Amino acid sequence: QKEVEQNSGPLSVPEGAIASLNCTYSDRGSQSFFWYRQYSGKSPELIMSIYSNGDKEDGRFTAQLNKASQYVSLLIRDSQPSDSATYLCAVNPGSEKLTFGTGTRLTIIP
Amino acid sequence: DTAVSQTPKYLVTQMGNDKSIKCEQNLGHDTMYWYKQDSKKFLKIMFSYNNKELIINETVPNRFSPKSPDKAHLNLHINSLELGDSAVYFCASSPPLTYNEQFFGPGTRLTVL
Repeated sequence: QKEVEQNSGPLSVPEGAIASLNCTYSDRGSQSFFWYRQYSGKSPELIMSIYSNGDKEDGRFTAQLNKASQYVSLLIRDSQPSDSATYLCAVNPGSEKLTFGTGTRLTIIP
Repeated sequence: DTAVSQTPKYLVTQMGNDKSIKCEQNLGHDTMYWYKQDSKKFLKIMFSYNNKELIINETVPNRFSPKSPDKAHLNLHINSLELGDSAVYFCASSPPLTYNEQFFGPGTRLTVL
């Protein structure tokens, strides 16, 4: 089992709809969780971090964490073509490193 | 600009050569990292330094040697380059006490011919 799993996609969502990206992780001791956005040919950019169960909202982005289910998700409301990118889920298992998923490629269709 | 910077941005070289990639951050962070992102876009940690001290050394061939002259710099030297070393190498840094929020440099695309 991979440490951090994501559906590789591609995930296609119409402009203005809600994009839902999911991630599961295997280490129950994981303490912090991150979503990075990576445009093609660019570096990963931190867009959301979440540390406790529940929802965390920042503008059009909402991160959701359920530690019991070992599940973290990212919702993007009112999706825009500029949201088209690969989204990387990253988990800190309580050490000095992050473990990344393989990413979900999201395409917003105008 | 406050940022993580890397040089060079592109590196094309022949098999067997030795090359270095430099990374600098002016964010005042204590911890720096090297990642390798392969053609399938999987991002894997290679090394991490905290305040010039090596704290993470993943299963990486010993042809790869990191060096941190001070906490703002982390360089990566690669000996005897192989075709499989072709990838994008990212440097990142993180501040203390932030549960490991990491900020990435622009990347160095290494192509070994």
